[in-house]
Amino acid sequence: QAGLTQPPSVSKGLRQTATLTCTGNSNNVGNQGAAWLQQHQGHPPKLLSYRNNNRPSGISERFSASRSGNTASLTITGLQPEDEADYYCSAWDSSLSAPVFGGGTKLTVL
Amino acid sequence: QVQLVQSGAEVKKPGASVKVSCKASGYTFTSYGISWVRQAPGQGLEWMGWISAYNGNTNYAQKLQGRVTMTTDTSTSTAYMELRSLRSDDTAVYYCARASITIFDNWFDPWGQGTLVTVSS
Repeated sequence: QAGLTQPPSVSKGLRQTATLTCTGNSNNVGNQGAAWLQQHQGHPPKLLSYRNNNRPSGISERFSASRSGNTASLTITGLQPEDEADYYCSAWDSSLSAPVFGGGTKLTVL
Repeated sequence: QVQLVQSGAEVKKPGASVKVSCKASGYTFTSYGISWVRQAPGQGLEWMGWISAYNGNTNYAQKLQGRVTMTTDTSTSTAYMELRSLRSDDTAVYYCARASITIFDNWFDPWGQGTLVTVSS
């Protein structure tokens, strides 16, 4: 099934700001926006944001999501070593009647 | 707290079936759905399907239609995912995640700890 497009890797320095992108089309990201998940090596994913910028309780305000057209973005401010992880986006695709995932972005904090 | 606890790792031969369980606690089971997502070694996330714990309605990924069955037992707040006719490329960590009662409200929170299914002759 068609997926969402994410850059494979992003590297940023400690305390800097990283913006991760997720590109889809009008059937998915452009329609209902995206959810964002964080996954540390060897652990299950954790929901960071859904419906574009709703954060579950306990998720730091350093994580914020937005959308412009068919591209969703996750901005992480004040990067910390523990932010080093894989980040996935997901969106409901109305043409597939199924959720689709991006391939993931590996964030490295230098 | 809301928690999903999955069954242990499995090793299966090609052509066999596997059934993974996912026991929920800390919330009203029938007010939500359960999605199943798998992750092959070193790969990304692949959505497998969703089941409503309220009425048992299901929605399966097209590529798995005919091989996967998702069920729930509301008396024990447990969801099950059975995958049949296993192939080597089904080797993956299988996750359950709490989902919305309406499938198109796209979120998954929290996730189970994962169950490694290895398919090997």
